[in-house]
Amino acid sequence: ETGVTQTPRHLVMGMTNKKSLKCEQHLGHNAMYWYKQSAKKPLELMFVYNFKEQTENNSVPSRFSPECPNSSHLFLHLHTLQPEDSALYLCASSQEMGKSSYNEQFFGPGTRLTVL
Amino acid sequence: SQQGEEDPQALSIQEGENATMNCSYKTSINNLQWYRQNSGRGLVHLILIRSNEREKHSGRLRVTLDTSKKSSSLLITASRAADTASYFCATDPTGANNLFFGTGTRLTVIP
Repeated sequence: ETGVTQTPRHLVMGMTNKKSLKCEQHLGHNAMYWYKQSAKKPLELMFVYNFKEQTENNSVPSRFSPECPNSSHLFLHLHTLQPEDSALYLCASSQEMGKSSYNEQFFGPGTRLTVL
Repeated sequence: SQQGEEDPQALSIQEGENATMNCSYKTSINNLQWYRQNSGRGLVHLILIRSNEREKHSGRLRVTLDTSKKSSSLLITASRAADTASYFCATDPTGANNLFFGTGTRLTVIP
């Protein structure tokens, strides 16, 4: 148990559906991250929030829309996805970006997304 | 590219043997971290080594860092079947404020 939870753990959706992934951290951290993990590819950083402000959008298609209402919660809203978006989506948190060189990240268990 | 690259991609050993995984990177770094991932789960932080450190130990784990060669190694001694997982190195490049992960080494420990 890392202190980062993600729901749902599994999601199957059609290309026309709208769904949301939720991440919650109980560690008092101020930075949160969304990553995409596809088979045989490096972990892809999608979005970063530091103190609720988005600091990174790694050229992610607009069909993925993040939301960070507070430092403990992070959402990823999905709409009109493509089959190639099927992957494991991981949420992570860390103390704070840029303040120290440690930047250890704590990951949630992930949401396995399948787009039909 | 700022991410690390692990080598080998896959490693299979007998229980009790030592496992060594390597990571190479291309930029200057603040630190390098190793993470473990069980199949289909999130990553778990194992150990962090700062750029001014050369070796670090944590239980059965030993990490080395050679900044002149831009490489790191993770040694797991006296492996157990429960060590079966994927292992990732993550670089924290100077000035980047993010971690960059490689594709990982898939370790299988045969009982």
